[in-house]
Amino acid sequence: DAGITQSPRYKITETGRQVTLMCHQTWSHSYMFWYRQDLGHGLRLIYYSAAADITDKGEVPDGYVVSRSKTENFPLTLESATRSQTSVYFCASSESIYSGNTIYFGEGSWLTVV
Amino acid sequence: SQQGEEDPQALSIQEGENATMNCSYKTSINNLQWYRQNSGRGLVHLILIRSNEREKHSGRLRVTLDTSKKSSSLLITASRAADTASYFCGCAVGSRLTFGEGTQLTVNP
Repeated sequence: DAGITQSPRYKITETGRQVTLMCHQTWSHSYMFWYRQDLGHGLRLIYYSAAADITDKGEVPDGYVVSRSKTENFPLTLESATRSQTSVYFCASSESIYSGNTIYFGEGSWLTVV
Repeated sequence: SQQGEEDPQALSIQEGENATMNCSYKTSINNLQWYRQNSGRGLVHLILIRSNEREKHSGRLRVTLDTSKKSSSLLITASRAADTASYFCGCAVGSRLTFGEGTQLTVNP
């Protein structure tokens, strides 16, 4: 099915390990985003990308790395996971935020760091 | 820091009543978007209002925007139990869309 998919949906990892969350969209949207949502709170922007090979920091980028070699993929890597990075991670995509296009969200990746 | 702040944090009403939630933001925006989140799910887009618009309607939803006060409101009329969810305002500045903490709406049957 077309849309935006995240994997894995659920992940438990140990402190200090590297973890990569995958995001794939089938619309060829220019913009992609990564947010984190801590329990009971709103979404905070980690990184975003306006096109392939163009990425920029959001509100809370420390401890995360992104890449975008292909338009449809936007992986998020936690280089050395910490307990404070336990959260639900949402990927999203849009044709354009500035022009008022809708942003579409994936179903989330639930990450627990023990 | 986060751009939008929703108010109230939580709202509990009876089915059939109207629900109003507010969003305040700090800097000039291109547009403001309201989203809904059911527990454990991703956000779903509800309605968008551009900076040069003052009011928009979509079904039972009504959104207003006051750029002089840097605030927006979302009105859900004739609420239903199925409207129970968290509601977030997303503030678009350039290529970024940032959210507040949300309003948890509970509609009691």
